[in-house]
Amino acid sequence: DAKTTQPTSMDCAEGRAANLPCNHSTISGNEYVYWYRQIHSQGPQYIIHGLKNNETNEMASLIITEDRKSSTLILPHATLRDTAVYYCIGNNQGAQKLVFGQGTRLTINP
Amino acid sequence: DAGVIQSPRHEVTEMGQEVTLRCKPISGHDYLFWYRQTMMRGLELLIYFNNNVPIDDSGMPEDRFSAKMPNASFSTLKIQPSEPRDSAVYFCASSSVYGSPLHFGNGTRLTVT
Repeated sequence: DAKTTQPTSMDCAEGRAANLPCNHSTISGNEYVYWYRQIHSQGPQYIIHGLKNNETNEMASLIITEDRKSSTLILPHATLRDTAVYYCIGNNQGAQKLVFGQGTRLTINP
Repeated sequence: DAGVIQSPRHEVTEMGQEVTLRCKPISGHDYLFWYRQTMMRGLELLIYFNNNVPIDDSGMPEDRFSAKMPNASFSTLKIQPSEPRDSAVYFCASSSVYGSPLHFGNGTRLTVT
């Protein structure tokens, strides 16, 4: 599975868009990019995943660069409840083993 | 849908005692995972099952750890004997089909004194 690199922490103002970057320069052609988040004292929560096209759901948007070496998770209108650790994971969708890194601690400020 | 249910939420035990953590996956999910989370090592996959059969237990730290899934709606993770370094939050997760997102429970916080 691809190694991913994320900033340790980020801050964002409430109501603004939160853009979380992730580098995955070693990702292979059949590996998906998954995003999960973990709110304090809870289990990780799935957000979104994609292969090469941009994806959007009710929680977020995922923008993957054309060379697939990096991606950005976008929370369009961040709220205080979006404060969490966000994990970017490169994974072969044919495999069930998700390997979590250290993630980005996102703090939404009022 | 109640989600993945884990019990107990908190467990405090003395070194040397046996500890059993329990998990009820989402109904209809064929895959079940056990993860452990510590400050030092983050989230680590211990073992996962498919249709009640263990598929990969390479993350199980040592023989003191064992996991079973006697049926599709129940799994246990047992530590015998427990040690202080086993203190962590243990998460159970399930998924419906190959490659689908994982749904996590809220974990069991284990403290071994």
